[in-house]
Amino acid sequence: RKEVEQDPGPFNVPEGATVAFNCTYSNSASQSFFWYRQDCRKEPKLLMSVYSSGNEDGRFTAQLNRASQYISLLIRDSKLSDSATYLCVVNTGGGNKLTFGTGTQLKVEL
Amino acid sequence: NAGVTQTPKFQVLKTGQSMTLQCAQDMNHEYMSWYRQDPGMGLRLIHYSVGAGITDQGEVPNGYNVSRSTTEDFPLRLLSAAPSQTSVYFCASSYGTSVYEQYFGPGTRLTVT
Repeated sequence: RKEVEQDPGPFNVPEGATVAFNCTYSNSASQSFFWYRQDCRKEPKLLMSVYSSGNEDGRFTAQLNRASQYISLLIRDSKLSDSATYLCVVNTGGGNKLTFGTGTQLKVEL
Repeated sequence: NAGVTQTPKFQVLKTGQSMTLQCAQDMNHEYMSWYRQDPGMGLRLIHYSVGAGITDQGEVPNGYNVSRSTTEDFPLRLLSAAPSQTSVYFCASSYGTSVYEQYFGPGTRLTVT
């Protein structure tokens, strides 16, 4: 089983739609969780950290479920500019290593 | 601040050649790391460093060497290039010795023929 698993997509959604991505992780000792965004042929950039209580940043909401070992990302009112690959990232290895999922591709269409 | 810089942006090597991918950061970050990204595989950690003079192996270290003589620089050396090392290589850095938010360089696209 992969340490971090994501549905690769692509998710094709119309502008204005709400879309949700899930990610599961295998190491129950994982401490920190993140969503990164990667545009085509560019470097990954941090989108948001994921806190136990859940957190929101504008149109983006992240949730963590430790009991079921998954995290989620909800995007409301999708924009064309949201089209990208979203990477689920988990801090493992005693804090010194990040493990990346393979990413979920989102395409927002007119 | 320039952030994290990588050179070269593109490189083509022949099998058996060696080369060094350069990475530098000007944010005084303790932690630096190298990843490779292949289609369908996600980013995989090659080597990382928690400070000058300290390096450790990641998930896929074979065929690569690193050193960290200064806080700013973290070069990645390919000793004898193989076609399996064709990939996009990203360098990243972060505050402190535990990894939280990582700042990535723009990447080096390497092709080994």
